[in-house]
Amino acid sequence: GAGVSQTPSNKVTEKGKYVELRCDPISGHTALYWYRQSLGQGPEFLIYFQGTGAADDSGLPNDRFFAVRPEGSVSTLKIQRTERGDSAVYLCASSLPGQGGTQYFGPGTRLTVL
Amino acid sequence: AQSVAQPEDQVNVAEGNPLTVKCTYSVSGNPYLFWYVQYPNRGLQFLLKYITGDNLVKGSYGFEAEFNKSQTSFHLKKPSALVSDSALYFCAVRDWDGGSQGNLIFGKGTKLSVKP
Repeated sequence: GAGVSQTPSNKVTEKGKYVELRCDPISGHTALYWYRQSLGQGPEFLIYFQGTGAADDSGLPNDRFFAVRPEGSVSTLKIQRTERGDSAVYLCASSLPGQGGTQYFGPGTRLTVL
Repeated sequence: AQSVAQPEDQVNVAEGNPLTVKCTYSVSGNPYLFWYVQYPNRGLQFLLKYITGDNLVKGSYGFEAEFNKSQTSFHLKKPSALVSDSALYFCAVRDWDGGSQGNLIFGKGTKLSVKP
C-alpha cells in the first residue's frame, strides 16, 4: 500500500516568510509525528497527534511553529516568520497506536531559509 | 530521561565481511528499541525493533540486532555486508516517560561504508 507522503519535497523561502509543510499518513494510522532533522544529526521530535488532537507538542521550539490535523488524517506543519535556523529536513511519521507500534516515515521536506 | 548513544560516527567494512553498528541506551522502564536506515536524500526506513521476547531480533535486508539488558546495548549486525548496505543508520528508543506519548529519541547516526 501507499506509504507516508510529504509535500513539497523541497521548499526554499526567504527569512521572515510563512511556510506550510504537508504530511499524508498511511491510511488507518491514527498516530502522526513530526520530526526535524538538522545536518549531521538524528531526527528530533516536534509534535505528536493522536487522531485530530495534538497529544504532545513539547518538541516545538517556539510559538512560530504550529501544526494541525483537522480531520485526523492529513497534517500541516506551519512555520511563521521563518529564520535561517529553521533550515532542516522536516520528517513526518505515522503509526498504529500502542507502545509497540512502528513509525513509518515519509521522504521528508527539505526547508531552506535564505 | 531516555537516551541512545551511537559511539561510532562511521564504520568501514569490506564487502562480504560481517558488520556491527553499535548502540547503547538509557531508559527508566522497559526499553522499546528500533533501528532505521537512511539513504541519501531519502526518509528513514524501518529495519527492526525490540519490544519483548527473544533477544535476537531479525529484520529487513538480512539485518539483525541483539538486545543485551545487562550491557544496555542493541547492536545492529549483518553476517555478510553488501556495498548497497552503505547508508546512515539510526538507533532509536521509544519515549514513554514524563508524559510523552511515544515519540522516538534518536542517536546521532552511524555512517556505514562498505567497500568492494
